[in-house]
Amino acid sequence: DTGVSQDPRHKITKRGQNVTFRCDPISEHNRLYWYRQTLGQGPEFLTYFQNEAQLEKSRLLSDRFSAERPKGSFSTLEIQRTEQGDSAMYLCASSLDEGTGGRGTEAFFGQGTRLTVV
Amino acid sequence: AQTVTQSQPEMSVQEAETVTLSCTYDTSESDYYLFWYKQPPSRQMILVIRQEAYKQQNATENRFSVNFQKAAKSFSLKISDSQLGDAAMYFCAYRSGSWTSGTYKYIFGTGTRLKVLA
Repeated sequence: DTGVSQDPRHKITKRGQNVTFRCDPISEHNRLYWYRQTLGQGPEFLTYFQNEAQLEKSRLLSDRFSAERPKGSFSTLEIQRTEQGDSAMYLCASSLDEGTGGRGTEAFFGQGTRLTVV
Repeated sequence: AQTVTQSQPEMSVQEAETVTLSCTYDTSESDYYLFWYKQPPSRQMILVIRQEAYKQQNATENRFSVNFQKAAKSFSLKISDSQLGDAAMYFCAYRSGSWTSGTYKYIFGTGTRLKVLA
């Protein structure tokens, strides 16, 4: 089990450019989450998938943000026309449908992609 | 909507002493899960401890234990015999346990920075 993997770890981009991040969840996990975290704050929910279906998007997520999870495996998060306010750590997490006794309910996080928009 | 509140931005504890981090939450659901996550500086978030709302017994994991007060909607984390490696941001998180809620997203508090003094 290699854990949740995110790529790239760091991204510096100029304002107005598009960026795409990738997340590879733990292989058997069917739920995948994207969060945004700014310095000193808690993770802020962006969106999540169950298998390939995107089940929920935050109302805070502008239409410049789009996420996909083709075939229910890896996921990509794209930000179009980046703004300085998009600078943050983007976290991916995955989890497994719980079995009996509440097992498997925790989310496992990747190391994140730190985006800096200059 | 569910909310999670951590009212202590920062806490300090002497090495080998005990510290308690506070968390309160608001929900109208009866079936849910609560978590404490640890995020060391520049490192990924990892699960410390989990509590199922239907369990009356407080969860424990080695030096970590919780005080879960369902009626008061309080979920505090006690760290005993604090070690230098416990220094980190600690986040309290909530997740619905019922598919009828329509969401399985994790909702995080703003975090408590724990400093461990040698």
